[in-house]
Amino acid sequence: AQKVTQAQTEISVVEKEDVTLDCVYETRDTTYYLFWYKQPPSGELVFLIRRNSFDEQNEISGRYSWNFQKSTSSFNFTITASQVVDSAVYFCALSEARGTSYDKVIFGPGTSLSVIP
Amino acid sequence: ETGVTQSPTHLIKTRGQQVTLRCSSQSGHNTVSWYQQALGQGPQFIFQYYREEENGRGNFPPRFSGLQFPNYSSELNVNALELDDSALYLCASYRANEQFFGPGTRLTVL
Repeated sequence: AQKVTQAQTEISVVEKEDVTLDCVYETRDTTYYLFWYKQPPSGELVFLIRRNSFDEQNEISGRYSWNFQKSTSSFNFTITASQVVDSAVYFCALSEARGTSYDKVIFGPGTSLSVIP
Repeated sequence: ETGVTQSPTHLIKTRGQQVTLRCSSQSGHNTVSWYQQALGQGPQFIFQYYREEENGRGNFPPRFSGLQFPNYSSELNVNALELDDSALYLCASYRANEQFFGPGTRLTVL
């Protein structure tokens, strides 16, 4: 069965600190997708990244970076120089890859990040 | 702005009633998924529609049903509402490598 674990329930950091959100997943599929989403207090889910299981290259987008390690089934997310606007709940998610369609996206329980000015 | 809209924003129903939630996605987004997000939890996959046919379903009973229409709109219907159905209901549509979520409908069952 597929499962996503985000062990950190809540994290508080002071503005400009770096913070890493952990994500560990379980799947028997050899091909799958991993995702990160942000849910600010307004409630709308914001897509951040999708990563194919065959692509283990780390990715950087501005202050965001992702570290995918298949050997440890982890897909961690780092925010560099955090800002107050980064305060939100962050979800890691996993889905089976079926062609161009998604199926049964499994979300983790989320990590609530508070950035204190 | 994701281009995905949902209506209504909030809804209050009583146990046993039926409810229909609506979602409108962007032109060309042939796949739409619905999720239920209980307070303090991650979204749970309800089902997915591709070109008007259901092609994936999570662990939800048959009283949760859906429709997708040719104009890229879709519906989530829930019959015989239970108190535990109180949640934020999200729809999402897909294009290439991106998934776009709507703002959600907050359903409260009393």
